[in-house]
Amino acid sequence: QKEVEQNSGPLSVPEGAIASLNCTYSDRVSQSFFWYRQYSGKSPELIMSIYSNGDKEDGRFTAQLNKASQYVSLLIRDSQPSDSATYLCAVGFSGGYNKLIFGAGTRLAVHP
Amino acid sequence: EAQVTQNPRYLITVTGKKLTVTCSQNMNHEYMSWYRQDPGLGLRQIYYSMNVEVTDKGDVPEGYKVSRKEKRNFPLILESPSPNQTSLYFCASSSLTGEEDYEQYFGPGTRLTVT
Repeated sequence: QKEVEQNSGPLSVPEGAIASLNCTYSDRVSQSFFWYRQYSGKSPELIMSIYSNGDKEDGRFTAQLNKASQYVSLLIRDSQPSDSATYLCAVGFSGGYNKLIFGAGTRLAVHP
Repeated sequence: EAQVTQNPRYLITVTGKKLTVTCSQNMNHEYMSWYRQDPGLGLRQIYYSMNVEVTDKGDVPEGYKVSRKEKRNFPLILESPSPNQTSLYFCASSSLTGEEDYEQYFGPGTRLTVT
């Protein structure tokens, strides 16, 4: 059974701090990794994708991937109250059918 | 505007009354998928489709049907809804070509309540 694990939180950080969200996955042949942001009652919104080991930066967001450790993380710099949401980690497993497995999500709360 | 649309957005129905939730995308994506989201369980895939007339079961297909007669549309059918199908449903689509494979884009969601 392929699995994606996330700490459910809530992760509480003060405004302006760095929020660090973590995700582990079970399948060693996974090829693609994504972070989605979901506000309460809304649909998931893709914010980062990463396909190779290392860091990928986009604005205040940095995704980090370590395939050897089966670990992917998302850093949010200068956190804002508007970043308060649930962050879903998703892993694309090989097999030719485009399947994503989602973690249950980490709830982030940024307080002023 | 590139988007995935779903209708209806909210639906309250009774056990056993057949219903259809529509999903449409305007991005010419080959891949479409249905998920349900329940508290503490995350997003679980119901059915997916790799292209027209090509569909397959996801992780929780029981009680659901789908069809893919046109590339842009992927309706979800509940022939005889039951209360355990009360959930938040999302349709998603993605391209299957190029380096953006697997990047799935979600519709706004349909909140279904079966009484």
